Amino acid sequence: ELKVEQNPLFLSMQEGKNYTIYCNYSTTSDRLYWYRQDPGKSLESLFVLLSNGAVKQEGRLMASLDTKARLSTLHITAAVHDLSATYFCALTFGNEKLTFGTGTRLTIIP
Amino acid sequence: NAGVTQTPKFQVLKTGQSMTLQCAQDMNHNSMYWYRQDPGMGLRLIYYSASEGTTDKGEVPNGYNVSRLNKREFSLRLESAAPSQTSVYFCASSEEGIWTEAFFGQGTRLTVV
Repeated sequence: ELKVEQNPLFLSMQEGKNYTIYCNYSTTSDRLYWYRQDPGKSLESLFVLLSNGAVKQEGRLMASLDTKARLSTLHITAAVHDLSATYFCALTFGNEKLTFGTGTRLTIIP
Repeated sequence: NAGVTQTPKFQVLKTGQSMTLQCAQDMNHNSMYWYRQDPGMGLRLIYYSASEGTTDKGEVPNGYNVSRLNKREFSLRLESAAPSQTSVYFCASSEEGIWTEAFFGQGTRLTVV
């Protein structure tokens, strides 16, 4: 059974700082997704990572995947208030159901 | 382009009442899903439909039923609501096949008293 752990669960950081959210998983995965959820809103797809060493960047967010370490990271560069949200990673392998992490609630303090 | 539309957005039920949550997508996606979201537990899959005419149980199916009415619509029914079903429910769909990138509806906040 695929298990997904995110850390930290809560993160409060100042504007302008850098930080990383970690997504560890227990078994092989061939597709990893990062989603963003604003309070009371739906989930929005940010990145899809398909292979070892994959790196994708959008604005101040960069996601990477290390399949050997079973680890994905979401790096935030020079945080701004608009990035305050909850971030989820989700994984699947083959035809196994998509499994979500518990989420990281990020708060950017001015 | 509306994407994935869920109704209602909010609902309060008494224990034992029944209701159906509606979901429709206009993106011509084959696969559709129902999730529930509870604090500190991420999203858990209730049921899914890989394609029109098929449905399968997910991680937490007890107390729910689904109907894939056609390619566009996938409804979730609570036959006899219980307080443990208080949650936020999300419908989602994906284009390229089962478990590919999913697009989510706005959610239904359900409270069972």
